[in-house]
Amino acid sequence: EEQLVQSGAEVKKPGESLKISCQASGYGFSTYYIAWVRQMPGKGLEWLGVIYPSDSDTEYSPSFQGQVTISADTSIGTAYLQWTSLKASDTAIYYCARRIYYGSGSYGLDLWGQGTRVTVSS
Amino acid sequence: EIVLTQSPGTLYLSPGESATLSCRASQSVSSTSLNWYQQKPGRAPRLLIYGASNRATGIPDRMSGSGSGTDFTLTISRLEPDDFAVYFCHQYDGAPYTFGQGTKLEIK
Repeated sequence: EEQLVQSGAEVKKPGESLKISCQASGYGFSTYYIAWVRQMPGKGLEWLGVIYPSDSDTEYSPSFQGQVTISADTSIGTAYLQWTSLKASDTAIYYCARRIYYGSGSYGLDLWGQGTRVTVSS
Repeated sequence: EIVLTQSPGTLYLSPGESATLSCRASQSVSSTSLNWYQQKPGRAPRLLIYGASNRATGIPDRMSGSGSGTDFTLTISRLEPDDFAVYFCHQYDGAPYTFGQGTKLEIK
């Protein structure tokens, strides 16, 4: 079964660092892009960025460039999202998702992790 | 940045009725780059439609997408109880990739 399993909920203080994970199974991890999407409490979805695990090619949304780091380890089929200094405004659910190419320029996020809830509070 | 505005914010309908959800873009979006997702409370989003009008794997033909340019529509016919959720449109034609704010489909 194809799945993405994310690490568990985190409670952190402002200024702390954090790295959350997204482990793939049941498909060739290296050959599909992994995207990260944020959902703040009671809000909509925001695109953070995407990584191609095979060569670690990464593209960030301008709003999140320099705020987070996306990485991947193909040896264990895992993608990561990390912060060096968390802020209260980083409180959200973070989803990883597989991006699949359908052809003719069309993509879709067809396989999602269950989400990781990050709470940043003093 | 391409802003996607979804309407209505909340749609109240009964099972068996049809739903029409709108997604309007602040500038033209390629039809190949507009998707729709469904999200239920406490769950991750689920891909419904890619490329404006193509159903993703396992999506029933009661759900259909259409549109071009700045106006896109998701239509759900013969609503079932499982369809009541929040629906988001998403464009990846121009960076930064953006989502609409969502339409909540509620049981009347």
